[in-house]
Amino acid sequence: GNSVTQMEGPVTLSEEAFLTINCTYTATGYPSLFWYVQYPGEGLQLLLKATKADDKGSNKGFEATYRKETTSFHLEKGSVQVSDSAVYFCALVGGSQGNLIFGKGTKLSVKP
Amino acid sequence: NAGVMQNPRHLVRRRGQEARLRCSPMKGHSHVYWYRQLPEEGLKFMVYLQKENIIDESGMPKERFSAEFPKEGPSILRIQQVVRGDSAAYFCASSPDGRAYEQYFGPGTRLTVT
Repeated sequence: GNSVTQMEGPVTLSEEAFLTINCTYTATGYPSLFWYVQYPGEGLQLLLKATKADDKGSNKGFEATYRKETTSFHLEKGSVQVSDSAVYFCALVGGSQGNLIFGKGTKLSVKP
Repeated sequence: NAGVMQNPRHLVRRRGQEARLRCSPMKGHSHVYWYRQLPEEGLKFMVYLQKENIIDESGMPKERFSAEFPKEGPSILRIQQVVRGDSAAYFCASSPDGRAYEQYFGPGTRLTVT
């Protein structure tokens, strides 16, 4: 079945450091891919998405490119801020009804 | 436009009691998804509902769990005779017609079974 694997955290970075959070997937076909962010005490917010191979999703300085050859959708940001501290989830659409399949999440802590 | 509302935010139940979790989707959204997040785990899909219909309940445990989305009022996730293993965060998401992948999440209900 479809599944998502993302790097385990926690990840601790200094402000303005470069961020990469790895995500790989297993799926039949080419599902839409997503990154969600969860700030403490809140629900998940859609950060960015890509709906087909080679698409690049971007938002708030974050980027991820849909790579079908490596079945990956790695999240990157060139210069992180303290306010980026959160848990990041990679996800894909699991079925025809639109239910999402999530990775386990990666906790990011950014220190001033 | 208010976001997805869930209540209560925190719920404590003793083993054997019933838990009722409520979800009000965003205005204009008629699709509701429930997910469960166990400690140190990602979110797992439970059930997908449209108004008055269960569309996909493949992620729901076979016993004690049920869900509904009536014509009027919020969606309800009901857990009967709760056990300690039911302790988790339960998230609801809603989506507009035709855009199932565009899911907006509520803040979640954190259920603790003592």
